[in-house]
Amino acid sequence: DTGVSQDPRHKITKRGQNVTFRCDPISEHNRLYWYRQTLGQGPEFLTYFQNEAQLEKSRLLSDRFSAERPKGSFSTLEIQRTEQGDSAMYLCASSFSATNEKLFFGSGTQLSVL
Amino acid sequence: GQNIDQPTEMTATEGAIVQINCTYQTSGFNGLFWYQQHAGEAPTFLSYNVLDGLEEKGRFSSFLSRSKGYSYLLLKELQMKDSASYLCAARGAAGNKLTFGGGTRVLVKP
Repeated sequence: DTGVSQDPRHKITKRGQNVTFRCDPISEHNRLYWYRQTLGQGPEFLTYFQNEAQLEKSRLLSDRFSAERPKGSFSTLEIQRTEQGDSAMYLCASSFSATNEKLFFGSGTQLSVL
Repeated sequence: GQNIDQPTEMTATEGAIVQINCTYQTSGFNGLFWYQQHAGEAPTFLSYNVLDGLEEKGRFSSFLSRSKGYSYLLLKELQMKDSASYLCAARGAAGNKLTFGGGTRVLVKP
């Protein structure tokens, strides 16, 4: 068990550019979540997958954001035409469906949009 | 919708006890979680409550009252390494995501 891995750890981009982040969950976990966190705030839910199916997406999520989990293993989160307000820590978490399932978080990707 | 409230910041002395309160409103309820997050690091799981009562785990305990929509995290024998943000999160009946509060930043002083 190597934990949840996210790549890259840091990303600096210019406004208007597209960025893509990758998350590798714990191998036996069938659920994968994306959250966004800004300084001094709690994580805000973006979307979640069970296996390869995207089951829920936040209503706050702009259509510039898209996420995939093509083979039910790793996931990517793409942000198109980035804006300065997209600057945040993007956290990925995974879990195994169970009554008291807990989320295991990766260390996140810190995005800075200049 | 879902709403989670917890204090923004608390300060306590090394060796003391601190209680972090959390109130929640969710569409249905399917569990209350507490996570610890050190600055710049990932949140790590501390505790889970789904039934009323107290769950004790070493120096940390968590309490839940479903009828009041209330939980607290109790940190005993505070150590300097306990300085961190503590996140309260609830799982609603519909779906599996956790909704997090804004976090309570705890500062432990010598």
